[in-house]
Amino acid sequence: GAVVSQHPSRVICKSGTSVKIECRSLDFQATTMFWYRQFPKQSLMLMATSNEGSKATYEQGVEKDKFLINHASLTLSTLTVTSAHPEDSSFYICSAKPATGGALYWNTEAFFGQGTRLTVV
Amino acid sequence: AQKVTQAQTEISVVEKEDVTLDCVYETRDTTYYLFWYKQPPSGELVFLIRRNSFDEQNEISGRYSWNFQKSTSSFNFTITASQVVDSAVYFCALSTGGFKTIFGAGTRLFVKA
Repeated sequence: GAVVSQHPSRVICKSGTSVKIECRSLDFQATTMFWYRQFPKQSLMLMATSNEGSKATYEQGVEKDKFLINHASLTLSTLTVTSAHPEDSSFYICSAKPATGGALYWNTEAFFGQGTRLTVV
Repeated sequence: AQKVTQAQTEISVVEKEDVTLDCVYETRDTTYYLFWYKQPPSGELVFLIRRNSFDEQNEISGRYSWNFQKSTSSFNFTITASQVVDSAVYFCALSTGGFKTIFGAGTRLFVKA
């Protein structure tokens, strides 16, 4: 089945530094990837939609300058948390949509990465 | 607007009991997909089932079963003979065009030995 790999799985960083999280589709091409954030004991909230070769679309209330998204290839999207602060500590998880026309396109299961637990100290 | 409501925040059962997790959704789209995911303490999302809006057949997979009723906009999930390993947070989710997935608040299930 389709695999989405997210790296790192855990990261601890100092306040004020930036952290990059990678989301890779390992066996399919993804024109669109989604980034979610999950606070402890809460649901997953969509942060942004990442489109290959174009700017990401951010959900209302998400700071685009704080959470930089780059989708430079059909298999990789990155989320960079800039100038991280303790309140950015959270679980970040990505999902990927197969590219149009591929064998997986009509499979509407959302392929999720394993998630990244970010702790800012 | 799309919305998924999981009214049960936490459920606690004793092993071997049956338990049903409720999910009610809202959407104006006629084509949509419903999902259930399990999130164990490790955090990853484990896909359990996908249902499209045109298939109201109930489904059974081992101890798991799902009841999809469009008339009440519900997609409930039942675990039969629950086990301690079933303890996790369960999310119901809705996806329409574009694969954007909206999650419910989740139901935390505790299964005691």
